[in-house]
Amino acid sequence: EVQLVESGGGLVKPGGSLRLSCAASGFTFSSYSMNWVRQAPGKGLEWVSSISSSSSYIYYADSVKGRFTISRDNAKNSLYLQMNSLRAEDTAVYYCARVPGRVGQYDYWGQGTLVTVSS
Amino acid sequence: SYVLTQPPSVSVAPGKTARITCGGNNIGSKSVHWYQQKPGQAPVLVISYDSDRPSGIPERFSGSNSGDTATLTISRVEAGDEADYYCQVWDSSSDHYVFGTGTKVTVL
Repeated sequence: EVQLVESGGGLVKPGGSLRLSCAASGFTFSSYSMNWVRQAPGKGLEWVSSISSSSSYIYYADSVKGRFTISRDNAKNSLYLQMNSLRAEDTAVYYCARVPGRVGQYDYWGQGTLVTVSS
Repeated sequence: SYVLTQPPSVSVAPGKTARITCGGNNIGSKSVHWYQQKPGQAPVLVISYDSDRPSGIPERFSGSNSGDTATLTISRVEAGDEADYYCQVWDSSSDHYVFGTGTKVTVL
């Protein structure tokens, strides 16, 4: 069974940093692109970042470029999102999601981890 | 940047058909994916590549894509279909994924 479990969310002050993790199981992690998607309270879905299976292709939304860094460790079946210079508008539930290909549909999602940026 | 526009809400009686549109410039040239999200839950893929239904998704869900509009159709709507629905594409000109604005489907 495919499982994606996010962790690392919490309350952080503006300007602070946080590192999210996504633990994958039930599939060959190294064969899939992975993504982070966020959803602010009461709002729609917003794509954050993508990383290809071998980390050769990395993309960021304009809203996070230069502040967030996506990475993965295929040996540990894990995806990461390093978030720096956090702002109030980064407050959201952050989901990791799997893509069976370099780009395409998100066929599995985690349950999300809440990040709250507030003083 | 590429923009996908959806109606904020669609209301439909049980047993009837709901159609949710997703508008974008020449969206017919892109592959469109649709997600269902119920309150407090993660999104679930219901249609991929315009009209493919993943395993486990009822045949009542179907999709089409042409010109400037993609459409998700839910036939014989049930109370359990009440949810938010989002379209999504990969915009190769910007190397960005784009989500639609989302549509809340209410079953009357």
